[in-house]
Amino acid sequence: DQQVKQNSPSLSVQEGRISILNCDYTNSMFDYFLWYKKYPAEGPTFLISISSIKDKNEDGRFTVFLNKSAKHLSLHIVPSQPGDSAVYFCAARENTDKLIFGTGTRLQVFP
Amino acid sequence: EPEVTQTPSHQVTQMGQEVILRCVPISNHLYFYWYRQILGQKVEFLVSFYNNEISEKSEIFDDQFSVERPDGSNFTLKIRSTKLEDSAMYFCASRPRTTEQFFGPGTRLTVL
Repeated sequence: DQQVKQNSPSLSVQEGRISILNCDYTNSMFDYFLWYKKYPAEGPTFLISISSIKDKNEDGRFTVFLNKSAKHLSLHIVPSQPGDSAVYFCAARENTDKLIFGTGTRLQVFP
Repeated sequence: EPEVTQTPSHQVTQMGQEVILRCVPISNHLYFYWYRQILGQKVEFLVSFYNNEISEKSEIFDDQFSVERPDGSNFTLKIRSTKLEDSAMYFCASRPRTTEQFFGPGTRLTVL
């Protein structure tokens, strides 16, 4: 069951530059998408979300873009900071309460 | 800032034993969840709970699993007879009326 896919297992970005994390999905019935950040030995921390009726949502350094025709969303972090180094999960919801997660992308921000 | 808490942080048990994982959701939240993450795999939904009953469960959540909200603050996941493949991180989550779910730090369950 690969309804939500994060094809890049890792990403390395220099501090101050933009980080772009990508997520693809197959289920056109998903109505809500979320990004979570996870540090080792901690639970996922909610970052930002977007409804399927929008194509962009911005919160400080974080912006999520949704391209419904391509079934693709991305998380932009700008400027990237060393504290952003973590695993980032994309998740989606289909008019129910359960979240379906991707496999995650490990972001490393180096000085 | 309020947060979801979980105890214990690590539970080791023998195969066939019963375990209870405990969670204290954020106090004004109405919806409660359990997810698990087997090492190296995705975070997977197990069950959602609202108004003192299960609202949705996955195929993983078979008769060996049960959930309970015994009082106004705790939310528990019980595995009656643990199997080796139940070894995973178990995350509790809760949310208010909005969509975003807030996760606890997890309990690492190791079944020997």
